[in-house]
Amino acid sequence: AQSVTQLDSQVPVFEEAPVELRCNYSSSVSVYLFWYVQYPNQGLQLLLKYLSGSTLVKGINGFEAEFNKSQTSFHLRKPSVHISDTAEYFCAVKSGGSNYKLTFGKGTLLTVNP
Amino acid sequence: DAGITQSPRHKVTETGTPVTLRCHQTENHRYMYWYRQDPGHGLRLIHYSYGVKDTDKGEVSDGYSVSRSKTEDFLLTLESATSSQTSVYFCAISEADFNQPQHFGDGTRLSIL
Repeated sequence: AQSVTQLDSQVPVFEEAPVELRCNYSSSVSVYLFWYVQYPNQGLQLLLKYLSGSTLVKGINGFEAEFNKSQTSFHLRKPSVHISDTAEYFCAVKSGGSNYKLTFGKGTLLTVNP
Repeated sequence: DAGITQSPRHKVTETGTPVTLRCHQTENHRYMYWYRQDPGHGLRLIHYSYGVKDTDKGEVSDGYSVSRSKTEDFLLTLESATSSQTSVYFCAISEADFNQPQHFGDGTRLSIL
């Protein structure tokens, strides 16, 4: 069975500071990993995805994530955040043997303060 | 943005009434999904479809049924709504299941009194 743990439910930061949102997964087979962002009263928007190849993945809005197989992690980073990055962020995993199931973490609320 | 329309966007109804939510896509994607989002639980899969008339259960399917008679439409029905089904419901689509991401609609906020 696959599972996702987002280690922080809330992360407050100041504008222009760097941020890291942590995500760990468990799966016994190969995985595909995703980060989504949800702004208030909206659906989820894909930030980035790891399917194979380079372990450093760049996404939209200046975010990037690094796949670490030995640590079973897929942490999301941004070197300098803006007020507009305030949103909830979800990590999700799909394993090669799961057919259709995309498993989500419970989310991390990123609040960027001036 | 992926062409996904959910209707209605908001609905308030009473316990025991039937409710149907609609998801319409213009992308001709094969796979469609219904999730519910609740505080502290993230998103949980209710049902999904892998083709016209081909559907299967997700992890929280009790009390819900689905139908897909056309590629573009995926309906979620609560036969007899309960207060525990108050939630935000999201539809998602994907082009092919293997390693493609899912794209989400804007959600339906359902309140059952």
